[in-house]
Amino acid sequence: QQQVKQSPQSLIVQKGGIPIINCAYENTAFDYFPWYQQFPGKGPALLIAIRPDVSEKKEGRFTISFNKSAKQFSLHIMDSQPGDSATYFCAARQVYTPLVFGKGTRLSVIA
Amino acid sequence: DAGVTQSPTHLIKTRGQQVTLRCSPKSGHDTVSWYQQALGQGPQFIFQYYEEEERQRGNFPDRFSGHQFPNYSSELNVNALLLGDSALYLCASSTLGTDSYNEQFFGPGTRLTVL
Repeated sequence: QQQVKQSPQSLIVQKGGIPIINCAYENTAFDYFPWYQQFPGKGPALLIAIRPDVSEKKEGRFTISFNKSAKQFSLHIMDSQPGDSATYFCAARQVYTPLVFGKGTRLSVIA
Repeated sequence: DAGVTQSPTHLIKTRGQQVTLRCSPKSGHDTVSWYQQALGQGPQFIFQYYEEEERQRGNFPDRFSGHQFPNYSSELNVNALLLGDSALYLCASSTLGTDSYNEQFFGPGTRLTVL
């Protein structure tokens, strides 16, 4: 049973565009929702994270939008750059439990 | 600070063999978690070690075992390798402290290929 469903599987945008990656979860006990960025040959790196007491969080060009009632959250990348080309993973967890990851979205930003 | 380090970088084994992967956590971290990332998939939790004991375990068979040493470094052992064990194995370190949502820092992984 996949607890975190991520879409789309891949995404191509032009430089300056705003790619949006969506995730849906099933377990209402999840209360921490991070996004990870992974470049080829590297491990995932934490990009930004949100807890369900807020509906939006911004850090630089990255924004998480959170909809608790719909059990969905999304990542927006403002003014995307070729250097943002990577695989992005959403994840979720409860306190003191392991991270549950989505299957990932391969983003390509073309100049 | 070297961050989380893993060795070896790549490994090729044949079916039925045994393999040991190694991880050194980020300085100041006392907890090590291991994940398996199959090609095109997200990481899947294998187990977590704290105070030299396995604290949590994911849905992986007993062929997967681990160890944590007094210096907090860790090993992942896989016995009787199957073709399906081919994956990137990631180690993540954190602190099991007062922050229950402590960030996990991932290493670059070990790419295991089983032929």
